[in-house]
Amino acid sequence: DIQMTQSPSSLSASVGDRVTITCRASQRTNNYLNWYQQRSGKAPKLLIYAASSLQSGVPSRFSGSGSETDFTLTITSLQPEDFATYYCEQSYTTPHTFGQGTKLDI
Amino acid sequence: QVQLQQSGPGLVKPSQTLSLTCAISGDSVSSNSAAWNWIRQSPSRGLEWLGRTYYRSKWYYDYVVSVKSRITINPDISKNQFSLHLNSVTPEDTAVYYCARSIDDNGMDVWGQGTTVTVSS
Repeated sequence: DIQMTQSPSSLSASVGDRVTITCRASQRTNNYLNWYQQRSGKAPKLLIYAASSLQSGVPSRFSGSGSETDFTLTITSLQPEDFATYYCEQSYTTPHTFGQGTKLDI
Repeated sequence: QVQLQQSGPGLVKPSQTLSLTCAISGDSVSSNSAAWNWIRQSPSRGLEWLGRTYYRSKWYYDYVVSVKSRITINPDISKNQFSLHLNSVTPEDTAVYYCARSIDDNGMDVWGQGTTVTVSS
């Protein structure tokens, strides 16, 4: 199985800040790398797919980059609704696997 | 607009079978581009993808090895839904269970509302 490792595990920031979350895969993912946002008590929401493609309806302050095994989610100009937990997921091979999550709080 | 509606019991006794259903609206379980997934989430295991079914001229099934001997995911064309059956459950199967759609392996873009399942006598 491909292991996904996110860093940091938690992150404190303020409204208007720019933040970066990283995800490292134990093997190549051929850019089948996705990012999700999960608010408390809700299902995850797809933000970025294929490493850098913005899911329809997601604000442009979210962006993804990276390739092979190292990927980044960047949020520019944090908004109050962005404080949540973020997960990466590889969908290159089964079983699909998730990172352990990054909790973003104030 | 595609929506997934989950149903099923929130309490299951140890050694019994956990059964959940995910009803699809706005898409077809027989779609040639979609896959239909089950994922669970617990504090101890985080987000765990359990398996999926999809149709590409025939039905395919993929399962995570950790539950492969206990899991079945079944499509139901007549009701346009798919189900999860996990047998011989233990308290370690206690989690929030989600169904979700993926298109061409580009992430899971539509999710069910989640079902909290507790395994306890």
